[in-house]
Amino acid sequence: QVQLVQSGPEVKKSGTSMKVSCKASGYTFRSNGINWVRQAPGQGLEWMGWISTYSGNTKFAQNFQGRVTMTTDTSTSTVFLELRSLTSDDTALYYCARETGLGGDLEYFDYWGQGTQVTVSS
Amino acid sequence: SYVLTQPPSVSVAPGQTARITCGENNIGSKSVHWYQQRPGQAPVLVVYDDTDRPSGIPERFSGSNSGNTATLTISRVEAGDEADYYCQVWDSASDHAIFGGGTKVTVL
Repeated sequence: QVQLVQSGPEVKKSGTSMKVSCKASGYTFRSNGINWVRQAPGQGLEWMGWISTYSGNTKFAQNFQGRVTMTTDTSTSTVFLELRSLTSDDTALYYCARETGLGGDLEYFDYWGQGTQVTVSS
Repeated sequence: SYVLTQPPSVSVAPGQTARITCGENNIGSKSVHWYQQRPGQAPVLVVYDDTDRPSGIPERFSGSNSGNTATLTISRVEAGDEADYYCQVWDSASDHAIFGGGTKVTVL
């Protein structure tokens, strides 16, 4: 069965960086891109960006341009999210989500990781 | 860029029907997808491509999309349906996913 298993919680200081992993299993890793979505406490879902597990191409939401990196390790079927210059506003649950790969309007998220809590303190 | 507008909350008695809307100009021309997020859990896809249900999702969950409003309908509401619900579209022009603000469904 398809599973996305994320790394454990992190506590970071303002100004530092975080790196969260998402290990995929149960399907052909390079067939579906991975998206990252975050959720601040008591807030809704915020799309951060996407990485193609086939080519490594990425696309980021405007809010994160310049301080986010997404990478893949095909040897371990793992995707990484790195976010730099952290502030308290980055305190959130970070989710990875598999996209369908169908393209266009039919890009939605059929499997999600369990979420990784990142807390940023000053 | 799309801004998907959802009501913050919907309350419904058990056994009744809950309707959650997702509004945007001409959203009927897009495919809309819906997620359920129970407290403390990751989101789960409940409807995709306006009207389709993933395997394992009860038939009580249905979707529609026309004009400026997409709707997720939950029939014969149960206590376990209490959750936040989010609509989502893919903006092909920017290659971005867009989420609605979410609707909290409370079962009275």
